[in-house]
Amino acid sequence: RKEVEQDPGPFNVPEGATVAFNCTYSNSASQSFFWYRQDCRKEPKLLMSVYSSGNEDGRFTAQLNRASQYISLLIRDSKLSDSATYLCAVSHNTDKLIFGTGTRLQVFP
Amino acid sequence: NAGVTQTPKFRVLKTGQSMTLLCAQDMNHEYMYWYRQDPGMGLRLIHYSVGEGTTAKGEVPDGYNVSRLKKQNFLLGLESAAPSQTSVYFCASRQGSNTNTEAFFGQGTRLTVV
Repeated sequence: RKEVEQDPGPFNVPEGATVAFNCTYSNSASQSFFWYRQDCRKEPKLLMSVYSSGNEDGRFTAQLNRASQYISLLIRDSKLSDSATYLCAVSHNTDKLIFGTGTRLQVFP
Repeated sequence: NAGVTQTPKFRVLKTGQSMTLLCAQDMNHEYMYWYRQDPGMGLRLIHYSVGEGTTAKGEVPDGYNVSRLKKQNFLLGLESAAPSQTSVYFCASRQGSNTNTEAFFGQGTRLTVV
């Protein structure tokens, strides 16, 4: 079983929709949590870090639930340009940085 | 500011050949990582390093070796390439002050083993 798991999707949503992704992690020693975005055939880039109290960046909201060991990403008012693969990543005190399998999002007109 | 640079960008190897992938970063980062990405598998950690002269195994280390002789460089070696090592390889680096720092990636190396 992978240490970090995601639903691979694809999630096909119309423009303007709200979509949410979850990511579960198995190592309770995990300390830091991230969402990365990866466009086709490109390298991943940081979308946002995930803080304990939850955090928001424009249309994007990230949440952390330590008790249930999952993080979530909510995208409001989806744009065509949001179409990409969203990877969650988890870091723990060994300084490993482990990624999930990624969730593919396709926003259609 | 180049960030993270991977060399080469593309390579075709025959089964049994060896090669070294080079990752260079100019951000003075402590931590460096090598990942492979296959369809439906996300990024899987091969090896990583938390400082010059140190390396550690990741999720899928078999068939690979690494070295971090200089802080700015992290080398990934394939001693005897196999078709199962056909993949896209990404290198990443990040600041070592705490675990909550952004990882920056290179543009990837597309390796095909025939």
